[in-house]
Amino acid sequence: DPKIIQKPKYLVAVTGSEKILICEQYLGHNAMYWYRQSAKKPLEFMFSYSYQKLMDNQTASSRFQPQSSKKNHLDLQITALKPDDSATYFCASSQDWGDFAEQFFGPGTRLTVL
Amino acid sequence: GDSVTQKEGLVTLTEGLPVMLNCTYQTIYSNAFLFWYVHYLNESPRLLLKSSTDNKRTEHQGFHATLHKSSSSFHLQKSSAQLSDSALYYCALNSGGSNYKLTFGKGTLLTVTP
Repeated sequence: DPKIIQKPKYLVAVTGSEKILICEQYLGHNAMYWYRQSAKKPLEFMFSYSYQKLMDNQTASSRFQPQSSKKNHLDLQITALKPDDSATYFCASSQDWGDFAEQFFGPGTRLTVL
Repeated sequence: GDSVTQKEGLVTLTEGLPVMLNCTYQTIYSNAFLFWYVHYLNESPRLLLKSSTDNKRTEHQGFHATLHKSSSSFHLQKSSAQLSDSALYYCALNSGGSNYKLTFGKGTLLTVTP
């Protein structure tokens, strides 16, 4: 059974619209993360959360807003979508924040903005 | 800031030949952890190896790597490539610092042919 679920797997949106990417982890972890991979670029850190509290934000734009309704959920809301937002978004989790523990990744949501 | 360099974007090998994927990194922190993640098509990236100990060989699933802090390197090796090793390999750095995020290299796509 998948331990980190991301929904949807594929998402197509129009410029200016808003979408929410879903992430749920069933590993019992306390820390969750979002990474983004744009075409021909490395995986890039976006956010980290610990016990539903934002620990770090490395995105320059306020259009990206994480939402954590439960400890094992970390959704990503993206508003006013732009074609440059097209990327695969990976959710990850680790046992705790603030250590060097392995981060486990979900399968990703591939977002295409037209 | 932290950075990871994987010079080879694409490596094609014949089955049975040795594998060596290069990874160098830059960080101001001395207690950094280095990771190799493997990403098979249609799966989640998963951890292959990790290390923080200078000059100590780390092995897993036939792959090995040694962290050399003097040269800031963490090259991935395997003595004999298998067809099933074909995947995207990412080197990543967690320097701790203020946010414990993973900084990824651009990845090396390894293709093993019969």
